[in-house]
Amino acid sequence: AQSVTQPDIHITVSEGASLELRCNYSYGATPYLFWYVQSPGQGLQLLLKYFSGDTLVQGIKGFEAEFKRSQSSFNLRKPSVHWSDAAEYFCAVGVDDMRFGAGTRLTVKP
Amino acid sequence: DTAVSQTPKYLVTQMGNDKSIKCEQNLGHDTMYWYKQDSKKFLKIMFSYNNKELIINETVPNRFSPKSPDKAHLNLHINSLELGDSAVYFCASSFGPSTGNTIYFGEGSWLTVV
Repeated sequence: AQSVTQPDIHITVSEGASLELRCNYSYGATPYLFWYVQSPGQGLQLLLKYFSGDTLVQGIKGFEAEFKRSQSSFNLRKPSVHWSDAAEYFCAVGVDDMRFGAGTRLTVKP
Repeated sequence: DTAVSQTPKYLVTQMGNDKSIKCEQNLGHDTMYWYKQDSKKFLKIMFSYNNKELIINETVPNRFSPKSPDKAHLNLHINSLELGDSAVYFCASSFGPSTGNTIYFGEGSWLTVV
């Protein structure tokens, strides 16, 4: 069955620490891959996307993500988290339609 | 200069009422969507229109009826509201229906049914 999984419901990191949010997908072919961020009370904003080519993708706000075909993963990373990064993060995959993961809530400690 | 705007942002209404949420995009996109986000933050597509024509209609109760008067507008009408309809409804748009296109979201409409 086609699916996208974000294994971590909630992650807490200290400001300045590095961050990695996990995303795994299950599709027959390599789908289009996206990461969106949702700040409290706001809509979703695209951070980055991967279609093909270089497997390390740079996005806005200092985020990057790496596509690993062998692991069916597209994990989001940031080397140093800022308090303003606290939000809900959604991985999304598109093949026949767009499917979103359940989201990972990021809390940033001072 | 809001790209995807939806109104109202907050709506509290009684069970059994009929309500509408309006959506407009000024991005020149051909495709528009309605998504529902439940209390657990799970985001699920409800409808998708391309050039005013319905292309995705997920399993949604008939009480939900989208209407697209032109490709810049996609309104959502809900009849006989139920408690379980309480959620955040997001309007969105993209250049086309291909899943490779970036989807641009509105800020959401918080619907509470009491």
